[in-house]
Amino acid sequence: DQQVKQNSPSLSVQEGRISILNCDYTNSMFDYFLWYKKYPAEGPTFLISISSIKDKNEDGRFTVFLNKSAKHLSLHIVPSQPGDSAVYFCAPSGTSYGKLTFGQGTILTVHP
Amino acid sequence: DTAVSQTPKYLVTQMGNDKSIKCEQNLGHDTMYWYKQDSKKFLKIMFSYNNKELIINETVPNRFSPKSPDKAHLNLHINSLELGDSAVYFCASSQGTAGYTFGSGTRLTVV
Repeated sequence: DQQVKQNSPSLSVQEGRISILNCDYTNSMFDYFLWYKKYPAEGPTFLISISSIKDKNEDGRFTVFLNKSAKHLSLHIVPSQPGDSAVYFCAPSGTSYGKLTFGQGTILTVHP
Repeated sequence: DTAVSQTPKYLVTQMGNDKSIKCEQNLGHDTMYWYKQDSKKFLKIMFSYNNKELIINETVPNRFSPKSPDKAHLNLHINSLELGDSAVYFCASSQGTAGYTFGSGTRLTVV
């Protein structure tokens, strides 16, 4: 039972344009949502998060939007840079102490 | 200075062997985790320890046994390795809901 889905396995974007990565979830107990970025042969690194009491959180070029009624969140990167090329994981929490439930990831490629 | 370090980075072993993966964090975090990334790239939690106490134990075969000698260390021992255990194993630590810090992973290959 996949509680977190990132339906786009990959996304290709031109440098300077906006990248939009989407995530859908089914478990209404999730109350905190995190995005992680992962380069090959490295562990995931924390990028940005949002609490369920908010609908938007911004940090520099990264903005996360949460639509609780639709159980949907998205990560916007603008402007996209080649160094943003990585796998992005959506990871909600809230069902068990500290546990994160990861989506399958979206491979973002930003072309110069 | 690495925040969460795992050793070894690569591990190739034969079926039936017993192996351990070590993890140490120097962040002062109270909670440590083991995650497994399978061939389909899903990251799934295996275990979680808070101050040396087991708090999450997902459906993992008994052949996997975590051990936390202190809150800075969480080791993973695997008995009687099987081909299906081949994966990348990530250790992580956290303090509250601030997000995890992951290690760089251990790629286990069982032949």
